[in-house]
Amino acid sequence: AQSVTQLDSQVPVFEEAPVELRCNYSSSVSVYLFWYVQYPNQGLQLLLKYLSGSTLVKGINGFEAEFNKSQTSFHLRKPSVHISDTAEYFCAVILMDSSYKLIFGSGTRLLVRP
Amino acid sequence: NAGVTQTPKFQVLKTGQSMTLQCAQDMNHEYMSWYRQDPGMGLRLIHYSVGAGITDQGEVPNGYNVSRSTTEDFPLRLLSAAPSQTSVYFCASRGQGALAGELFFGEGSRLTVL
Repeated sequence: AQSVTQLDSQVPVFEEAPVELRCNYSSSVSVYLFWYVQYPNQGLQLLLKYLSGSTLVKGINGFEAEFNKSQTSFHLRKPSVHISDTAEYFCAVILMDSSYKLIFGSGTRLLVRP
Repeated sequence: NAGVTQTPKFQVLKTGQSMTLQCAQDMNHEYMSWYRQDPGMGLRLIHYSVGAGITDQGEVPNGYNVSRSTTEDFPLRLLSAAPSQTSVYFCASRGQGALAGELFFGEGSRLTVL
């Protein structure tokens, strides 16, 4: 069965420190991969996406992610976080079969402390 | 740009009451969907539609009805609310096909069922 796993439910980090949010997926078909961010009391917005090409993709607000097909991972990274990065981050995949089903992970709450 | 608009933002219901959550988008998107968000469970798909007149069930459809009479609107109906339906509901839309995979979300509707 297809699934998306975000192992860390919460990641606390100090301001200006680097951070990595982990995402692994399981699928029998090819996928497109996404990271969404949800700020408090708001809807989700797209952070970045991988469709094809270079496995390192850059998104908004200084975030980047690397697609690793052999490890079926799509980890999100930022070299130096700000207080304003405090939010919930969701990894998601679209199945590249006739369903184009979108599957979300359970989310990781990034808590940036001063 | 209005994007995806949801109303109401907040609602309190008593068990057994009915209500409709409204969703409208102005991007001419064919695909529209409803998710519910619960702590630790990420987003779960309730119902979706790939175009006017076409709807289908998602992961957690029980207790909810939808219809799609126009491209713009996709209301979600709770016919007899239950406390288990206390949640935050998000409407989202996207262009047709996986290459237009970015979902655009509304700001959410927080529903409490007493």
